[in-house]
Amino acid sequence: EAGVTQSPTHLIKTRGQQATLRCSPISGHTSVYWYQQALGLGLQFLLWYDEGEERNRGNFPPRFSGRQFPNYSSELNVNALELEDSALYLCASSSRDRGYGYTFGSGTRLTVV
Amino acid sequence: GESVGLHLPTLSVQEGDNSIINCAYSNSASDYFIWYKQESGKGPQFIIDIRSNMDKRQGQRVTVLLNKTVKHLSLQIAATQPGDSAVYFCAERTGGGNKLTFGTGTQLKVEL
Repeated sequence: EAGVTQSPTHLIKTRGQQATLRCSPISGHTSVYWYQQALGLGLQFLLWYDEGEERNRGNFPPRFSGRQFPNYSSELNVNALELEDSALYLCASSSRDRGYGYTFGSGTRLTVV
Repeated sequence: GESVGLHLPTLSVQEGDNSIINCAYSNSASDYFIWYKQESGKGPQFIIDIRSNMDKRQGQRVTVLLNKTVKHLSLQIAATQPGDSAVYFCAERTGGGNKLTFGTGTQLKVEL
């Protein structure tokens, strides 16, 4: 069974540009979660999608947005990039059953220059 | 807001010794807890979980203890190996759905 896959692995953007990050969940998982992990810091919750709908949102500005497609894959978009957006962006998926932890992807390393 | 925290940011242990990583949580409504291991350049990896109706759960070389009275969670690693070197995160689930709140992490360093 394939795990959670994220693309691209690395992304370098210029300040002010837009970045699009992609995530494919484990087959059968309907929920996708996005987290930001700045260097040396913990995981900050960004977004949670389930069945195509945004279920919860972390304390991030509106220029962080995303969506979930009918096949449960997801995109995270970051507009008007700032230097502080440089971080590892992690995607995780889970099934609807409570009691199951997330399975994480390896992340996308976004660098804003 | 309520959050999950860790007592020690860095823990150094000798190979073969037992490791104990601690975590304090403040939300008494949390019903599920997980420990994750994150190696450099990789995403967090599930280690072990525990529900709030339990106080202990064992896995292979790992044990999680939950003390709801003092809102404390710990991860014990037996016979620590160099491959255990990583950052360890605790996470709690509160409320509906499956959103997890993560602590800031503890760096475990295994010395040969």
